[in-house]
Amino acid sequence: DAEITQSPRHKITETGRQVTLACHQTWNHNNMFWYRQDLGHGLRLIHYSYGVQDTNKGEVSDGYSVSRSNTEDLPLTLESAASSQTSVYFCASSESSGLSGTDTQYFGPGTRLTVL
Amino acid sequence: SQKIEQNSEALNIQEGKTATLTCNYTNYSPAYLQWYRQDPGRGPVFLLLIRENEKEKRKERLKVTFDTTLKQSLFHITASQPADSATYLCALAVSNTGKLIFGQGTTLQVKP
Repeated sequence: DAEITQSPRHKITETGRQVTLACHQTWNHNNMFWYRQDLGHGLRLIHYSYGVQDTNKGEVSDGYSVSRSNTEDLPLTLESAASSQTSVYFCASSESSGLSGTDTQYFGPGTRLTVL
Repeated sequence: SQKIEQNSEALNIQEGKTATLTCNYTNYSPAYLQWYRQDPGRGPVFLLLIRENEKEKRKERLKVTFDTTLKQSLFHITASQPADSATYLCALAVSNTGKLIFGQGTTLQVKP
């Protein structure tokens, strides 16, 4: 069965370190998204991609970067981790159907990141 | 910018009753609105999608309404069960982008 996986599931790091969170999907979806989820804020979009070599900034992209070298993977990098980036991170994918509002998103299990 | 609001207070109901969750939005007129379920420690899972020209959509015990005049969607679970306890998220679709804007979610607790 197709799926979307994230690794690691839990990560503790120190302020200033570079961290990369992995996201891998076997749906063969063109669209991939990264969100962070915090109490009181819900899911907020960090970055997204419509296909290989395409990346776009979401509403909370400062301090994060992504790259899309193949269809299956969209790794999220925190260049210099900050305590404010302690959060739960979710990756999602959707099948492009003309970028319509009917694209439902399939989510990974999440990565809980703690920055000390 | 678009804003979407759900009741942040938890909703506690008795098993067998109908749960009704509210989603309000401003500064936008989405053509589609989606509802997701999220269990603790897991990612959201898609439940239902409703189009602006659909007043109501049903799936088993779930019903969603979409009032574009009030800018509101209601999510109903009839004959609720303890297994329905979860956080429910509404999301409005941003036209021609494939992006979704999520509400904060409402936590439902169904007591036996």
